[in-house]
Amino acid sequence: AQSVTQLDSQVPVFEEAPVELRCNYSSSVSVYLFWYVQYPNQGLQLLLKYLSGSTLVESINGFEAEFNKSQTSFHLRKPSVHISDTAEYFCAVSSPTSYGKLTFGQGTILTVHP
Amino acid sequence: EAQVTQNPRYLITVTGKKLTVTCSQNMNHEYMSWYRQDPGLGLRQIYYSMNVEVTDKGDVPEGYKVSRKEKRNFPLILESPSPNQTSLYFCASSPEGERGYPYEQYFGPGTRLTVT
Repeated sequence: AQSVTQLDSQVPVFEEAPVELRCNYSSSVSVYLFWYVQYPNQGLQLLLKYLSGSTLVESINGFEAEFNKSQTSFHLRKPSVHISDTAEYFCAVSSPTSYGKLTFGQGTILTVHP
Repeated sequence: EAQVTQNPRYLITVTGKKLTVTCSQNMNHEYMSWYRQDPGLGLRQIYYSMNVEVTDKGDVPEGYKVSRKEKRNFPLILESPSPNQTSLYFCASSPEGERGYPYEQYFGPGTRLTVT
């Protein structure tokens, strides 16, 4: 079985400050890792993914995440946040044996203050 | 535009009245699935379909049915809704990865269901 723990339910930050949203996973097999973002009253949008290869993955809007196998983590970072980054962020894991099922964390609400 | 669509977006119904939430994707994806989202619990998979011939239960299938008669559509059926099925529902689809497994999933806009 797989599980995901997002260590912070809410993260408040000021605009232009750096942010890190923490995600740890548990799995006995190789994993695929994802970050999704959900803006208010909208569906989930894929932010970035790790399938294989380079452990550092980046999104088009400045977020990055690093797969750390030894620490079973996939933390999301951004060096300078904007007001528009305010949203809920979900970390998710799947594997070749999960038949495509995504196991999600509980979500982290990022609030960017001016 | 490539997308997953769901209807209705909002639905209020009463206990026991059968309902169907439709889901359609225009990306020719084989894999489709349904999730429910509840506060503090994240999203949990209800059912999934690898293709039109294979459908199976996810983590929380009780009280739900699905149908996959054609590749693009994957409706969710609640034959006798109960208040504990009040939730936000998402349909998703996924392209087949290079190893034949689905990778990232693309989500619809969600259906907010209230059962009184």
